[in-house]
Amino acid sequence: DTGVSQDPRHKITKRGQNVTFRCDPISEHNRLYWYRQTLGQGPEFLTYFQNEAQLEKSRLLSDRFSAERPKGSFSTLEIQRTEQGDSAMYLCASSTDIQETQYFGPGTRLLVL
Amino acid sequence: GQNIDQPTEMTATEGAIVQINCTYQTSGFNGLFWYQQHAGEAPTFLSYNVLDGLEEKGRFSSFLSRSKGYSYLLLKELQMKDSASYLCAVSLKGSYIPTFGRGTSLIVHP
Repeated sequence: DTGVSQDPRHKITKRGQNVTFRCDPISEHNRLYWYRQTLGQGPEFLTYFQNEAQLEKSRLLSDRFSAERPKGSFSTLEIQRTEQGDSAMYLCASSTDIQETQYFGPGTRLLVL
Repeated sequence: GQNIDQPTEMTATEGAIVQINCTYQTSGFNGLFWYQQHAGEAPTFLSYNVLDGLEEKGRFSSFLSRSKGYSYLLLKELQMKDSASYLCAVSLKGSYIPTFGRGTSLIVHP
């Protein structure tokens, strides 16, 4: 296993459309995190899974955002009715139960026109 | 809440040493991460300090003073490829969610 993977790497969409991103964590990692990052800022936490359970969601996460991790492996992040303000890099990270260190995927860069 | 402060930008010369500082104000502090992020890429883990003192890993070292709410990342023998953003992130006890600073953009010039 070479690390966390994300798909797609880039997405351009029109305002109002729905988009879905996928994250495949490192195989033995049971914790999975989603972050959003805009230019000149550090990653902002969106949500976190331990196995298939979504344990924490940021107040930043509006009702248009939903995330799933149905089998405790890969995860999807869906944004409904996209807005221009959703344009950002969406990062996924994973970690084990034992270590706090998170390992990040390459990110999905979203541009909403 | 948490307040994490690091300089926005630094420049340095190839072969030199640079120190990137990070100060934080938080309750329930557990540890501090440093990540490197090249433009358009994901952050990559550099170090995690929980105890006071200096930890060295090759050309990179990280220092933590819990009592002062202060950390620094020391980069020696700078190379052009070290040009990147360096993110400081604080973890709290009982939470698996680190809070990131805005990052310090380091520019290494010949």
